[in-house]
Amino acid sequence: EAGVAQSPRYKIIEKRQSVAFWCNPISGHATLYWYQQILGQGPKLLIQFQNNGVVDDSQLPKDRFSAERLKGVDSTLKIQPAKLEDSAVYLCASSLSSGQGYEQYFGPGTRLTVT
Amino acid sequence: GNSVTQMEGPVTLSEEAFLTINCTYTATGYPSLFWYVQYPGEGLQLLLKATKADDKGSNKGFEATYRKETTSFHLEKGSVQVSDSAVYFCALSDRGAAGNKLTFGGGTRVLVKP
Repeated sequence: EAGVAQSPRYKIIEKRQSVAFWCNPISGHATLYWYQQILGQGPKLLIQFQNNGVVDDSQLPKDRFSAERLKGVDSTLKIQPAKLEDSAVYLCASSLSSGQGYEQYFGPGTRLTVT
Repeated sequence: GNSVTQMEGPVTLSEEAFLTINCTYTATGYPSLFWYVQYPGEGLQLLLKATKADDKGSNKGFEATYRKETTSFHLEKGSVQVSDSAVYFCALSDRGAAGNKLTFGGGTRVLVKP
């Protein structure tokens, strides 16, 4: 079974530029998550989708971050404009559903450096 | 809100030594508890989990017991190998929440030397 795919793996941009990350979850997984992992810290949830609807985006900085999952499959996370503090690894995860007991499977992440 | 606190690393051990990584949590409901591992160059993987008080999760020689009275979920392994070198994350999922988002601790880097 193919795992969670993410691209690009690495991205370097200057502050105030825009960037987009792509995630393709495991086939059949209804729930998709985006986490931000700053160096030396644990991942923090940015947004959670159930199919193409948003379940939780309470920690998403909505003035600069946006995410979509239009067809309920793959997803895009965008930052516009980027700030230095956005430098982090962006992790995508998926699970069969959003209930307790469903394991989340993580992709390899996209490492973003903002200069 | 929910939070997870785990011991800071790095933890450096010799092969076959005993490993303990402390983890305590704060949660408003009755969370499920997890240990995730991140090997060098790889993504996060679920190591073990426990869904209710007194449950013991185990995998690959690692164990952790859900202690509600001390709000803890310490990770232990009796004899570590070089291949156990990784970053370990304790996490919780609040069953009362709309989704099952994970709240992570800061991670503990473990280095096992031959």
